[in-house]
Amino acid sequence: AQKVTQAQTEISVVEKEDVTLDCVYETRDTTYYLFWYKQPPSGELVFLIRRNSFDEQNEISGRYSWNFQKSTSSFNFTITASQVVDSAVYFCALSALDSNYQLIWGAGTKLIIKP
Amino acid sequence: NAGVMQNPRHLVRRRGQEARLRCSPMKGHSHVYWYRQLPEEGLKFMVYLQKENIIDESGMPKERFSAEFPKEGPSILRIQQVVRGDSAAYFCASSPGRIQETQYFGPGTRLLVL
Repeated sequence: AQKVTQAQTEISVVEKEDVTLDCVYETRDTTYYLFWYKQPPSGELVFLIRRNSFDEQNEISGRYSWNFQKSTSSFNFTITASQVVDSAVYFCALSALDSNYQLIWGAGTKLIIKP
Repeated sequence: NAGVMQNPRHLVRRRGQEARLRCSPMKGHSHVYWYRQLPEEGLKFMVYLQKENIIDESGMPKERFSAEFPKEGPSILRIQQVVRGDSAAYFCASSPGRIQETQYFGPGTRLLVL
């Protein structure tokens, strides 16, 4: 069975602090895709990143970075120098053959950035 | 540069009425997906469609729910005889081709059943 676990229900930090959101996944497939989406208070879902299982390079995009570790089945997301506008719910998701490539979602982590 | 469009953004229905949710995919996208998000929860897959075909409806409730993606026009998610438990946010996503590709989401329709 496939599963995505985001153990942190809610994180609260003060602006400018760094924060890491954890994501642990389970799948038997050797080929799979991992995603992060952001859901701000306005409710829409914003795509952040897609990573396939054969590419373990870490990725950096501005203040955002992602650490993919196959050995621990984790795909963690770090925001550096957080800003109030980063406040949102962040979802990690998995797509693999075992689920007909439908997105399997974590429960989300609510990130609160205090000014 | 229109993204995925959904309407209405908010829909209020009384128990027993029908709800029709519409989704227009991004230009050039031929694959549409519907998800449901209950309050304080992640999204749950409902159905995957291509033009005129339902590819995977494994997440659809067996009764009262149906979806279509006609040759012309938007994809429609239809909920008949709505009940309070249908209150949720319904998101549509689209992708250009293969199912492994990134899905881009619309703003969602918030359905409230009174």
